[in-house]
Amino acid sequence: NAGVTQTPKFQVLKTGQSMTLQCAQDMNHNSMYWYRQDPGMGLRLIYYSASEGTTDKGEVPNGYNVSRLNKREFSLRLESAAPSQTSVYFCASKISGSKETQYFGPGTRLLVL
Amino acid sequence: GESVGLHLPTLSVQEGDNSIINCAYSNSASDYFIWYKQESGKGPQFIIDIRSNMDKRQGQRVTVLLNKTVKHLSLQIAATQPGDSAVYFCAEKYQGAQKLVFGQGTRLTINP
Repeated sequence: NAGVTQTPKFQVLKTGQSMTLQCAQDMNHNSMYWYRQDPGMGLRLIYYSASEGTTDKGEVPNGYNVSRLNKREFSLRLESAAPSQTSVYFCASKISGSKETQYFGPGTRLLVL
Repeated sequence: GESVGLHLPTLSVQEGDNSIINCAYSNSASDYFIWYKQESGKGPQFIIDIRSNMDKRQGQRVTVLLNKTVKHLSLQIAATQPGDSAVYFCAEKYQGAQKLVFGQGTRLTINP
């Protein structure tokens, strides 16, 4: 099992450019999450998908869109990147039901100039 | 809104000593708590969790204590090793919610 994988590992964008961050899990988990992590702060939830076919906003959804492509994949899109979106982005997944533990990917480091 | 926080942003301990990392939460309706370890350049790694119907849970070298009266959570690491150096996050889940709310994190440094 690879667990949760994320691509790319690093990315530099210019203001106004768009990009999609990819996330995939091979643990047959139902729920998937996108977080951002800024220096000195904990993880903040951007969007999540409780199950295939559903998505919901988290704490900081503005400037982002998501797609739950299938059970394995959950992508995060920045349509017009801004310097304030410079951050480290983490994807996580968990099985549904009473198991609450989320498992995280290695992260994507994004710099917007 | 209610949030999870940490008492100390940094903690330095001697190798071999026990470490205690604290976390305060303010939502009395939270029913699940979890600790993650994050090493530099990596994603958070699950350490241990506890439900609100428990006061204590033990793992390998780690113990989580939950005091619902004062809304306090702690992570105890026994016989701290250099590999324990990392940032530790607590998180809570509100009852009925789908998502975790994370604290700021505490950086644990091990002195030789």
